[in-house]
Amino acid sequence: ILNVEQSPQSLHVQEGDSTNFTCSFPSSNFYALHWYRWETAKSPEALFVMTLNGDEKKKGRISATLNTKEGYSYLYIKGSQPEDSATYLCAPYSGGGADGLTFGKGTHLIIQP
Amino acid sequence: DAGITQSPRHKVTETGTPVTLRCHQTENHRYMYWYRQDPGHGLRLIHYSYGVKDTDKGEVSDGYSVSRSKTEDFLLTLESATSSQTSVYFCAISDERGSTDTQYFGPGTRLTVL
Repeated sequence: ILNVEQSPQSLHVQEGDSTNFTCSFPSSNFYALHWYRWETAKSPEALFVMTLNGDEKKKGRISATLNTKEGYSYLYIKGSQPEDSATYLCAPYSGGGADGLTFGKGTHLIIQP
Repeated sequence: DAGITQSPRHKVTETGTPVTLRCHQTENHRYMYWYRQDPGHGLRLIHYSYGVKDTDKGEVSDGYSVSRSKTEDFLLTLESATSSQTSVYFCAISDERGSTDTQYFGPGTRLTVL
């Protein structure tokens, strides 16, 4: 079972401000790092799958970077909007003959108008 | 949206009764997963399947069994439900590269065991 840490646990941000949060994971046996966005009463929605050290991915105002050597990924949201309010989950995958993701507990983001 | 449905969407049952949850996909994806979501624990993997009749255990498999007799259906069975299995259950699918590929989640099943 991988040790996945996400920080902060929760975050309040003013509308229009930019923000970022962190996912830390074991750097050994790295295969992939997933980011998901999860709105209340809905199912998790895939944002990015990142596999290479130095990867940067972008989707609209949301972007992510990956450092596999030190075992962390940052998720950035530029110009936060109320619809960005959600829990953001990261999940590394380390292979090892088994499949399935180990999810962090998430960063709960609240955008205040 | 990926074509994933889960049934039932809500179920209330009593301790000791058997329960089967169904995940159905129309994407012809190879991999299917069952996760449970609990406060303070996030999403945890129960079982997964990497093809018809090919399944394996996840982090929290005790008390659960699965079956996959067709590509499109992945069943999760609680042989004798306990209150600790009260949870929201999510099915997910991914294509040929398994967890190196995007996982798409179904709408979830809320199970209450009294």
